[in-house]
Amino acid sequence: QSVLTQPPSVSGAPGQRVTISCTGTTSNIGAGYDVHWYQQLPGTAPKFLIYGNSNRPSGVPDRFSGSKSGTSASLAITGLQAEDEADYYCQSYDSSLSGSIFGTGTKVTVL
Amino acid sequence: EVQLVESGGGLVQPGGSLRLSCAASGFTFSFYWMTWVRQAPGKGLEWVANIKQDGSEKYYVDSVKGRFTISRDNAKNSLYLQMNSLRAEDTAVYYCAREKGWQYYFDYWGQGTLVTVSS
Repeated sequence: QSVLTQPPSVSGAPGQRVTISCTGTTSNIGAGYDVHWYQQLPGTAPKFLIYGNSNRPSGVPDRFSGSKSGTSASLAITGLQAEDEADYYCQSYDSSLSGSIFGTGTKVTVL
Repeated sequence: EVQLVESGGGLVQPGGSLRLSCAASGFTFSFYWMTWVRQAPGKGLEWVANIKQDGSEKYYVDSVKGRFTISRDNAKNSLYLQMNSLRAEDTAVYYCAREKGWQYYFDYWGQGTLVTVSS
């Protein structure tokens, strides 16, 4: 089953900026399908974080931003806070699978 | 307030069956695609299946095709997942989520229900 590739972990000190990459293929991100991002705090359900590559739903702090280029996308967290410590997943649609696919997930640690 | 509440999880033997339900409230259920996503213990998220507003289109991840069936009852604002021929690798927390159809993102999630397949 196809997945989107993310780094297993990233870390940063409070106040710093971290980025998470999400690499796909020509049947998903590279085919023009949007990338979306979710935050999952320990023991809880995923939370909708970014949609349409770079849009934030109401209530999501502007410290979170997304971008997409070619077959990849990125999530950036600026002004890192302790409450940002969580797992982050990218997600897109794959035309060869006729369904959605998730990234492998990235654990963000605040040092 | 949008709410999605899953139920029906539990312990089942390999080869057995289970039916998950998801009760929706706070929005017009019949207007939205709906999705099931699962997460094995300590693992990442995996999309399982989705269903169109009127139930006329259904899609599945390869690993569950022929074993799982997604359905909905718009009169009861409910989503279902019938799981047959369960395997150990189906052990996971199953989440229902509201899907933005043509954009393929999931804006609201339930709290999840745990399915354990073990003898």
